[in-house]
Amino acid sequence: EDQVTQSPEALRLQEGESSSLNCSYTVSGLRGLFWYRQDPGKGPEFLFTLYSAGEEKEKERLKATLTKKESFLHITAPKPEDSATYLCAVEGGSYIPTFGRGTSLIVHP
Amino acid sequence: EAGVAQSPRYKIIEKRQSVAFWCNPISGHATLYWYQQILGQGPKLLIQFQNNGVVDDSQLPKDRFSAERLKGVDSTLKIQPAKLEDSAVYLCASSLDGMRAGQETQYFGPGTRLLVL
Repeated sequence: EDQVTQSPEALRLQEGESSSLNCSYTVSGLRGLFWYRQDPGKGPEFLFTLYSAGEEKEKERLKATLTKKESFLHITAPKPEDSATYLCAVEGGSYIPTFGRGTSLIVHP
Repeated sequence: EAGVAQSPRYKIIEKRQSVAFWCNPISGHATLYWYQQILGQGPKLLIQFQNNGVVDDSQLPKDRFSAERLKGVDSTLKIQPAKLEDSAVYLCASSLDGMRAGQETQYFGPGTRLLVL
């Protein structure tokens, strides 16, 4: 059974204070690891897909990296508008997506 | 390009009543997913369709939940009878083709918030 564990559960940062969110996973035959952003009262919004260890992707202040056991979402110089819940999901050989519980990020001005 | 549409956005019912949710995926997307998201948790897959066939429904409580995707386009999820623990957000997502590498990225609708009293 595929498993995804995200840490920390909650993170409070000051504006400009860089940090990283962790996603540890176990999956049989990784097909893809996905990062989503979810704002309160809305559906998840796609951020990145990573397919193989060593892959990195960037978008504005966000950078996602992948190893064989975990993924990191690095947030550089965050702004208050980056406040949201960040969800990690994996899909393996079963073609069934499995989500983690998410990390709730609050960035204070 | 229009996103994933869901209705209703909110629903309040009493336990033992029935309720139905509707989802219209992005045009041309073959794969459709229904998720249940309980407050403070990540989405839990209920059922996954590939066109009008079921890929997985192992986590769908089949004694009370049912879903269909007629003609391989829009989909309906039904709960009958509802229980208190069914209170959650029901999310619909679609992907170009969840069975093909590089086409499995999911796009989510806004969700339906269900409260069972």
